[in-house]
Amino acid sequence: DAKTTQPPSMDCAEGRAANLPCNHSTISGNEYVYWYRQIHSQGPQYIIHGLKNNETNEMASLIITEDRKSSTLILPHATLRDTAVYYCIVRRHNAGNMLTFGGGTRLMVKP
Amino acid sequence: DSGVTQTPKHLITATGQRVTLRCSPRSGDLSVYWYQQSLDQGLQFLIQYYNGEERAKGNILERFSAQQFPDLHSELNLSSLELGDSALYFCASSVDPGAGSSGSYEQYFGPGTRLTVT
Repeated sequence: DAKTTQPPSMDCAEGRAANLPCNHSTISGNEYVYWYRQIHSQGPQYIIHGLKNNETNEMASLIITEDRKSSTLILPHATLRDTAVYYCIVRRHNAGNMLTFGGGTRLMVKP
Repeated sequence: DSGVTQTPKHLITATGQRVTLRCSPRSGDLSVYWYQQSLDQGLQFLIQYYNGEERAKGNILERFSAQQFPDLHSELNLSSLELGDSALYFCASSVDPGAGSSGSYEQYFGPGTRLTVT
């Protein structure tokens, strides 16, 4: 699976959009980009995933660049409850379904 | 609530002992995964079971073993415990249609079991 690079920490003001970047320059054509988050020692929570098109759900939007070498997770109106560690994971499908977590980005939403 | 349940929530035991962690997947999910999260190693995949069969192995120690039962619940057995085994242990489940299939299936994580070895 491709390696990902994320900033270790970010701050965001409550009510503003949080934009979390992820670099995955060695991604292969059949690898998806997944985002999970972990709120203070709780189990990781699935947020969104995509292959090459931008995706949106009730939690967030995922923007993938045309060359697929990077992506951005957008939380449109961050709340204090969005304070968490956000993990960007790139994964193949035919080699098991396990997730390989890196260090993630610790997002602190401030009032 | 992810629909994945884990028991117990907390476990305190002594070095050299053996413990069993239990996981019930979401209804309809055939795959169960175990992950370990320690302060120095982060979240690491241990092992996956699919419909009762071992499917993939990660960084699981020989002192650890797991199984998935016909009702699809899973147990992770940790033996000869050491201080370094103290960690959060998460179980996750997914639909996972089987080897070689296309499409992606997200995993849903349980609340975890916090193991403290003293």
